[in-house]
Amino acid sequence: QSVLTQPPSVSGAPGQRVTISCTGSSSNIGAGYDVHWYQQLPGIAPKLLIYGNNNRPSGVPDRFSGSKSGTSASLAITGLQAEDEADYYCQSHDSSLSGVIFGGGTKLTVL
Amino acid sequence: EVQLVESGGDLVQPGRSLRLSCTASGFTFGDYALSWVRQAPGKGLEWVGFIRRKTYDGTTEYAASVKGRFTISRDDSKSIAYLQMNSLKTEDTAVYYCTRGDTGAFDPWGQGTLVTVSS
Repeated sequence: QSVLTQPPSVSGAPGQRVTISCTGSSSNIGAGYDVHWYQQLPGIAPKLLIYGNNNRPSGVPDRFSGSKSGTSASLAITGLQAEDEADYYCQSHDSSLSGVIFGGGTKLTVL
Repeated sequence: EVQLVESGGDLVQPGRSLRLSCTASGFTFGDYALSWVRQAPGKGLEWVGFIRRKTYDGTTEYAASVKGRFTISRDDSKSIAYLQMNSLKTEDTAVYYCTRGDTGAFDPWGQGTLVTVSS
């Protein structure tokens, strides 16, 4: 059971928009800690997708965006493409656990 | 190019020890904290621990699941971070990634090295 809760799976057709939620609590996201998002393609190491809640590293398409409100965060992907099919993870910090926490991951399927 | 390369993964018996290495290139290694993150087969990401840079005393933090058994160290002269794993358990079986960062975002990540704990 992860401290950050993500839906196990989401899906969408090419060109559509999907969102992935990441729900935490008052000891992590709600305490003001930043949320970061990673994309993990099959058999490959994770790659930073969004940092500091809503910032894209160089090279990440603007189809990817992040937001944060209260004790939750979201990753939005617009104009879905086949190559977006991957696992997505959110990450933050937890003051009660005194450490880094990850969401359980969400598998995105492009129909 | 900023790069991290893990090595040392192996098949080990429960109760034994293993040391992983993370060799960095393309950046000033001593200016950054390094973390280890693992992923059990078919499972999600789990933070293992990190080591701060020397200007922050080079202190370490660990997940509860490994505290007291795992130790992270660094050799800035060689641009290498280590993960010493003692008293290994079957549930430590995972791909172990090293990545740059501590409490913020992790970037980049190494390709990972597989540790299998089995009798």
